[in-house]
Amino acid sequence: EPEVTQTPSHQVTQMGQEVILRCVPISNHLYFYWYRQILGQKVEFLVSFYNNEISEKSEIFDDQFSVERPDGSNFTLKIRSTKLEDSAMYFCASSDPIPLEGTEAFFGQGTRLTVV
Amino acid sequence: EDQVTQSPEALRLQEGESSSLNCSYTVSGLRGLFWYRQDPGKGPEFLFTLYSAGEEKEKERLKATLTKKESFLHITAPKPEDSATYLCAVSGTSYDKVIFGPGTSLSVIP
Repeated sequence: EPEVTQTPSHQVTQMGQEVILRCVPISNHLYFYWYRQILGQKVEFLVSFYNNEISEKSEIFDDQFSVERPDGSNFTLKIRSTKLEDSAMYFCASSDPIPLEGTEAFFGQGTRLTVV
Repeated sequence: EDQVTQSPEALRLQEGESSSLNCSYTVSGLRGLFWYRQDPGKGPEFLFTLYSAGEEKEKERLKATLTKKESFLHITAPKPEDSATYLCAVSGTSYDKVIFGPGTSLSVIP
């Protein structure tokens, strides 16, 4: 069964360092997403990406964040200068929305980012 | 602003004791309501999508229903392996952005 894969599963970084989280979405999907979940809190939308550009972003997704689809299979989230409050589980998801038939997103297993 | 709330926050059931989880939503133009299951330290696992009031979907011991303001996830004769956090989410103004509720943590005791 096709799945979204994320690497690494756990990343520890020093405050102020740049990190890149990587994702391989499901191959025939057209929409890609990043969400985050701070420990004990709800899953929060960060950004959606379609047709090689950002289609929607939340107020969390400020200038410190960027996304890229560097080739036909990978989708990345970069945090330029990490802060302690960026510590969270980051989930990548993908979808191929067909209205009234299937619009759900499928999630990867996440990257746990710890900023020290 | 689109909003999703879920109740109860936590639910403890004996094995075989059926119950329901509630999801209340406020969204301008519902495009889809989703139920996911999340195990500790894992990503959300898709269960159901509902599109319009009156719609129902079933999978094993789970049944999801939808009204204009709420969705219910009914769990019939649960087993310990059903223990997880159940997340409700909605897409409103666009398919691009899905808003999640805080989840209901379900524990099924043998």
